[in-house]
Amino acid sequence: GAVVSQHPSWVICKSGTSVKIECRSLDFQATTMFWYRQFPKQSLMLMATSNEGSKATYEQGVEKDKFLINHASLTLSTLTVTSAHPEDSSFYICSESYLGLAGGQETQYFGPGTRLLVL
Amino acid sequence: QKEVEQNSGPLSVPEGAIASLNCTYSDRGSQSFFWYRQYSGKSPELIMSIYSNGDKEDGRFTAQLNKASQYVSLLIRDSQPSDSATYLCAVERESGGSYIPTFGRGTSLIVHP
Repeated sequence: GAVVSQHPSWVICKSGTSVKIECRSLDFQATTMFWYRQFPKQSLMLMATSNEGSKATYEQGVEKDKFLINHASLTLSTLTVTSAHPEDSSFYICSESYLGLAGGQETQYFGPGTRLLVL
Repeated sequence: QKEVEQNSGPLSVPEGAIASLNCTYSDRGSQSFFWYRQYSGKSPELIMSIYSNGDKEDGRFTAQLNKASQYVSLLIRDSQPSDSATYLCAVERESGGSYIPTFGRGTSLIVHP
């Protein structure tokens, strides 16, 4: 089945530093990649959607200058949290949209997530 | 505002019982519907997808879709303690060539021995 990896799985950083999270598709070439953030006991909050070679589309309320998304290839997307602060501490999850072979339906597959703690 | 509503629970069922999870959505243009399971501290994993009205069965799981009433449900037969998790309902709509998902807040399921 489709496999999506994320790196790192855990990161602890000081306030003011930047953190880069990688999302990599191992089994397929993704048509669309999504970045989510999830606070404890909350639902997934979509941050942005990106397609390879184009600028990401950010959801309302998400600062595009703070959360930089680069979708360099069909198999790699990166999220950089710039000048991270304690309130950015969260669980960041990427997902990739895969257009199935049969029926043409798109399905999302999630990466394992990256837990960010900003001190 | 496109919304997906789920009862946050927790829904508690005994082992071996049927667990019924419900989800309603507001966007009539939604085309694809998914159920994900999320264990604490982990990312969601896809359980079922359903695209047309009716029932879809996969092992102990049955997804039901009713587009006229705008609801989708998930039945888990012979519930096991390992089914204890948060179940997320997701609804997708095609927009400009992309499929944009909206997630519900999730229903916490507890299966007790």
